[in-house]
Amino acid sequence: DAKTTQPTSMDCAEGRAANLPCNHSTISGNEYVYWYRQIHSQGPQYIIHGLKNNETNEMASLIITEDRKSSTLILPHATLRDTAVYYCIVRGIQGAQKLVFGQGTRLTINP
Amino acid sequence: DGGITQSPKYLFRKEGQNVTLSCEQNLNHDAMYWYRQDPGQGLRLIYYSQIVNDFQKGDIAEGYSVSREKKESFPLTVTSAQKNPTAFYLCASRGDRGYGNQPQHFGDGTRLSIL
Repeated sequence: DAKTTQPTSMDCAEGRAANLPCNHSTISGNEYVYWYRQIHSQGPQYIIHGLKNNETNEMASLIITEDRKSSTLILPHATLRDTAVYYCIVRGIQGAQKLVFGQGTRLTINP
Repeated sequence: DGGITQSPKYLFRKEGQNVTLSCEQNLNHDAMYWYRQDPGQGLRLIYYSQIVNDFQKGDIAEGYSVSREKKESFPLTVTSAQKNPTAFYLCASRGDRGYGNQPQHFGDGTRLSIL
């Protein structure tokens, strides 16, 4: 599975959009981009995933560049409860069963 | 509500004792997983199961055992052979058997400590 690179930490004001970047320059054609977040002492929460088209659900939007080498998770109206560590994971549809979580981005939403 | 239930939330083990962590899901998912998370670290796969009565070792299976007698249940036993069991244990499931793009969904974890 392709390796991902994320900023270590980010801050965002409450009510504003939080844009979390992820680089995955070695992604291959059948690998998906998944986003999870983990609030302290809880299990990871699935947010969204996509292959090459932009995706939106009730939690967030996922923007994947045309060359698929990077993506951005957008939380449109961040709240204090969005403070968490956010993980970008690239995974193929076959082979390894495990999810590989890197260090992620620690997002802090400020009042 | 559909989801994954792990119990207990906190568990204490005495030296030389086996303990079993429970994981139940009502999502009708085929595949289930156990991960271990240590402070400040990523997740490491212990065991996974793609179908009832079948399971596979992950990266750190030594000192652990599992069973999958029912689709909705995947208990993990931490045996006395696991010399450093203190960690946060996470159970996950996914709707396909690992050959599609379905995401894994996680429970809220069990925190195991040694007395």
